[in-house]
Amino acid sequence: ETGVTQTPRHLVMGMTNKKSLKCEQHLGHNAMYWYKQSAKKPLELMFVYNFKEQTENNSVPSRFSPECPNSSHLFLHLHTLQPEDSALYLCASSQVALAGGPLTKNIQYFGAGTRLSVL
Amino acid sequence: RKEVEQDPGPFNVPEGATVAFNCTYSNSASQSFFWYRQDCRKEPKLLMSVYSSGNEDGRFTAQLNRASQYISLLIRDSKLSDSATYLCVVIGNNRKLIWGLGTSLAVNP
Repeated sequence: ETGVTQTPRHLVMGMTNKKSLKCEQHLGHNAMYWYKQSAKKPLELMFVYNFKEQTENNSVPSRFSPECPNSSHLFLHLHTLQPEDSALYLCASSQVALAGGPLTKNIQYFGAGTRLSVL
Repeated sequence: RKEVEQDPGPFNVPEGATVAFNCTYSNSASQSFFWYRQDCRKEPKLLMSVYSSGNEDGRFTAQLNRASQYISLLIRDSKLSDSATYLCVVIGNNRKLIWGLGTSLAVNP
């Protein structure tokens, strides 16, 4: 049983729809991440939040809008997506975000992901 | 040169074999290294952190070679259940986190 839960597990949406992905972690971590995983590509880090503050946005299109109301919850709001946005979206958490010091602080725990299809 | 590179494989080995994967990285000042395992259509899960002096966990051994800028993962006595994709991740001194594409392993009976 993972300490990071994502909903929904599967999502099919049209290009004009608006939907949100939800992530919740029960590990007492302070950092949360959104990743995109497409076939034959490495995991792409999209956003990083550390203590509720966004610390990284890796040139993600504005049609993806993250929200982090507290250290335990992370949302990804989607609107006017394109078919090439179809992918597995993974949420992860760690004690802190990309810190120096003990390796254990940087270990990321992943949710099961949301498999998104944009028609 | 890619920031983190892995041979995608697939590596096909018989049960009981020993297999090793490497992961090269371009930032010589990288500080943290990990191996994750990802089963088909599942999320990545931490397999091992990689310590400077090398570390072992049962059948798995991880090594760091700073001079040649790579980490390695050795699996001894392969089991069918070891079939998965093995991902390396590197955190640089610039706090940039980069994942490798992964190496696919298939252990055959």
